Amino acid sequence: DAGITQSPRHKVTETGTPVTLRCHQTENHRYMYWYRQDPGHGLRLIHYSYGVKDTDKGEVSDGYSVSRSKTEDFLLTLESATSSQTSVYFCAIRGVHSPLHFGNGTRLTVT
Amino acid sequence: KNEVEQSPQNLTAQEGEFITINCSYSVGISALHWLQQHPGGGIVSLFMLSSGKKKHGRLIATINIQEKHSSLHITASHPRDSAVYICAVEEGGSEKLVFGKGTKLTVNP
Repeated sequence: DAGITQSPRHKVTETGTPVTLRCHQTENHRYMYWYRQDPGHGLRLIHYSYGVKDTDKGEVSDGYSVSRSKTEDFLLTLESATSSQTSVYFCAIRGVHSPLHFGNGTRLTVT
Repeated sequence: KNEVEQSPQNLTAQEGEFITINCSYSVGISALHWLQQHPGGGIVSLFMLSSGKKKHGRLIATINIQEKHSSLHITASHPRDSAVYICAVEEGGSEKLVFGKGTKLTVNP
């Protein structure tokens, strides 16, 4: 299995609090992605990275920020969590011309 | 922007049946991925294709670049194949992937 881990696996937080999710890889892959998965919507891209300090927005980036200061770590931050951000969050990695590998997901509940 | 359509959305089969799941896209791509997600589980990469056909065990994936279409076949289906199957495409020159909404497969014993 590709070396990719997400933390935490589960998180319950209150509206208005900041939350940071971490994705860590040991594959030295160039590309890292954050997706959210909601019923009826499938996987939607939040942000992605194509190298250290190189990031760009996806289709549902409002309310989220990311950072990638090292190849192996890609952090997703919810600056001020809202109930609409309750979701399952997946990190994915891939190298150039190589398959996608997903983390196990983080189930986030905002109350 | 590429539109990725999967069909059917839901599929119920009896154990042993031959299964076909389809994926169509609207814009030229550099590669197509098939993914599997079991209920409550993680997402696993099954295939990455840019042309032709690939086989892994009972799973076969094909792609027709001219027709902008890919199929995932499962031979001798088994209840453990019950999962959501997701198609995703890479557009040439883009780091992003576009995902279909998935096909939910249920295989009954």
